[in-house]
Amino acid sequence: GIQVEQSPPDLILQEGANSTLRCNFSDSVNNLQWFHQNPWGQLINLFYIPSGTKQNGRLSATTVATERYSLLYISSSQTTDSGVYFCAVSFDRGSTLGRLYFGRGTQLTVWP
Amino acid sequence: SAVISQKPSRDICQRGTSLTIQCQVDSQVTMMFWYRQQPGQSLTLIATANQGSEATYESGFVIDKFPISRPNLTFSTLTVSNMSPEDSSIYLCSVEPLFEAFFGQGTRLTVV
Repeated sequence: GIQVEQSPPDLILQEGANSTLRCNFSDSVNNLQWFHQNPWGQLINLFYIPSGTKQNGRLSATTVATERYSLLYISSSQTTDSGVYFCAVSFDRGSTLGRLYFGRGTQLTVWP
Repeated sequence: SAVISQKPSRDICQRGTSLTIQCQVDSQVTMMFWYRQQPGQSLTLIATANQGSEATYESGFVIDKFPISRPNLTFSTLTVSNMSPEDSSIYLCSVEPLFEAFFGQGTRLTVV
């Protein structure tokens, strides 16, 4: 079946530090997204990035579709960055059309 | 993008009862997705709901336990029936108007 693997599972940082989160996936994907889940359970869209590189403030993401991985970079981390980061992929074919397959997430804790 | 209003945001329910969760989207969408997130876990797709047809359920989920309605292109409900403590989870609805997925705020359900 389709596998989405995220690493590391847990990450503890001091405020101001930089970090890289990784997502590996087992099949060719048409779409890839990164989400941040806040303590209230809400999923916040960070990036829609099936390929290439995008930046949004202190966050950036790169997806290399041919090598089946994506990276999320967080620079100058802040305590408000704490939470779970999910990678999710989807495929535009057949019965799987539109549905997302999620990784297990990276639990990020940023200390002041 | 899409804005999704999901209600209720949280509830505490007695075992054996049922809870209906509502999702209202600010635009017409063909498919709506319902996910479950058990404590400390990733998200799992429950079912896909298309307007005018029966929902399609993933392995391990059945209509009797999780009946879904999709009366029009902007609204859907998920009912969690005959609840047990194992149903305690966050339930989220999602839409993909143009490949990118957006989520409602989630419903945090606790069954006692």
